Amino acid sequence: NAGVTQTPKFRILKIGQSMTLQCTQDMNHNYMYWYRQDPGMGLKLIYYSVGAGITDKGEVPNGYNVSRSTTEDFPLRLELAAPSQTSVYFCASSLDRTSDTQYFGPGTRLTVL
Amino acid sequence: AQTVTQSQPEMSVQEAETVTLSCTYDTSESDYYLFWYKQPPSRQMILVIRQEAYKQQNATENRFSVNFQKAAKSFSLKISDSQLGDAAMYFCAYRVNSGGGADGLTFGKGTHLIIQP
Repeated sequence: NAGVTQTPKFRILKIGQSMTLQCTQDMNHNYMYWYRQDPGMGLKLIYYSVGAGITDKGEVPNGYNVSRSTTEDFPLRLELAAPSQTSVYFCASSLDRTSDTQYFGPGTRLTVL
Repeated sequence: AQTVTQSQPEMSVQEAETVTLSCTYDTSESDYYLFWYKQPPSRQMILVIRQEAYKQQNATENRFSVNFQKAAKSFSLKISDSQLGDAAMYFCAYRVNSGGGADGLTFGKGTHLIIQP
């Protein structure tokens, strides 16, 4: 199993550009999450999904959108990128509601200039 | 809202010595999980140890153990026989175990652990 994979590893965007961060897991996990980690800080939850077709907002959802059309994929969309979105983005997954362990991807470092 | 506080931005320990990282949290829930994650320079988040709030026994994983004080809302991590590979950022995290919703993790700001050879 590859676990949780994220692409790209690094990206530089100009203000106002858009992009999609990809996340895929091959563990047949129902629950998936997107977090951001700002310098010197812990991770903060952006969005999460409890299954295909079901998504909900986390602590810091503004400026982002998500979709979950399959169990495996959970892309994060940035519209109109802003410097405040410069961060490292982590995707994670867990088996189901009773599973207390989240498995993390390697992260995407995004810089908005 | 739940909060997680790590009061030590940085800790340093000699190789083979023991170090304790502090974590306190604030919650009105009674059923929850607590975690310690390690983040080396590679940025990968690695689960070190987990504790279920309803279990009184402190969790242990090889050289890593916790001191869970539920009434004090304290969850410290003890690393015994420190090794150079333990050098990393350590994050304390919390997740409520309530019905409905995915309940993402709430993280502290982290403690940078330095191992002196």
